[in-house]
Amino acid sequence: QKEVEQNSGPLSVPEGAIASLNCTYSDRGSQSFFWYRQYSGKSPELIMSIYSNGDKEDGRFTAQLNKASQYVSLLIRDSQPSDSATYLCAVKGSNDYKLSFGAGTTVTVRA
Amino acid sequence: EAQVTQNPRYLITVTGKKLTVTCSQNMNHEYMSWYRQDPGLGLRQIYYSMNVEVTDKGDVPEGYKVSRKEKRNFPLILESPSPNQTSLYFCASSFGQGGRGYTFGSGTRLTVV
Repeated sequence: QKEVEQNSGPLSVPEGAIASLNCTYSDRGSQSFFWYRQYSGKSPELIMSIYSNGDKEDGRFTAQLNKASQYVSLLIRDSQPSDSATYLCAVKGSNDYKLSFGAGTTVTVRA
Repeated sequence: EAQVTQNPRYLITVTGKKLTVTCSQNMNHEYMSWYRQDPGLGLRQIYYSMNVEVTDKGDVPEGYKVSRKEKRNFPLILESPSPNQTSLYFCASSFGQGGRGYTFGSGTRLTVV
C-alpha cells in the first residue's frame, strides 16, 4: 500500500465550478498535511496546510481533514483557468522528518 | 528574498561522467532534502539532512551521494550517472522537523545519455 494515495485524475471542470481532490494516507500517527500546487515544469508551491480535524479555508481553497478515516481533501471553489495544475497531497509521518507525496491529480479548468 | 536556489536548471550529460547539482537556501533552515520526480511516480525522496554533518537515506538513495558541510548548502552528487537517473530533481528545505511544509527549489532537469 502506498503511503499517500490520490485520486488519479485527470480532473476537468468548467470555469466557476468546484474541483474536489481527495487523498488518503497510511500512517495513522501523521499530524501534518499539506497541499501543493505544481504548474507544468515548475516546482511545487505550498497552498494549504492543515493539522487538526475539520475544515480550513483560505480564499477559494478549503482543506478538509478526517484523521479517523485517514483522509484529507482539497476543494477549489469558483475554479479559474489559472487553477489548471497538478495538485500534490503531502503527509508528514509520525516518526520522521519526511514528507511523503502522492502522485498528484492534474486539474484542467475549461473556460 | 527567501528562497532555495538550485543549479543548473538543465543538464545533459553522458553515462559515467560525475556531476554535482548544487542547492543553497537563505532561510537558516535546519532540514534539507532532495527529491526526484518521475511521471506516474510522484516525488520520491533521495536523501535528507537534519542539520550540518547529519544526513540519511531516503527512499531511493542508490547512485547518489550528498554532503552537508554548511547549513545553507546541500549538494547532490552523482558519481557515475546512468540513464535511469534521468529525471526532474528538486531540493527542498524547512524549519525544524518539517511540520510547516517544505520550500522547494526551482528544479534541475537532468538527462543522462
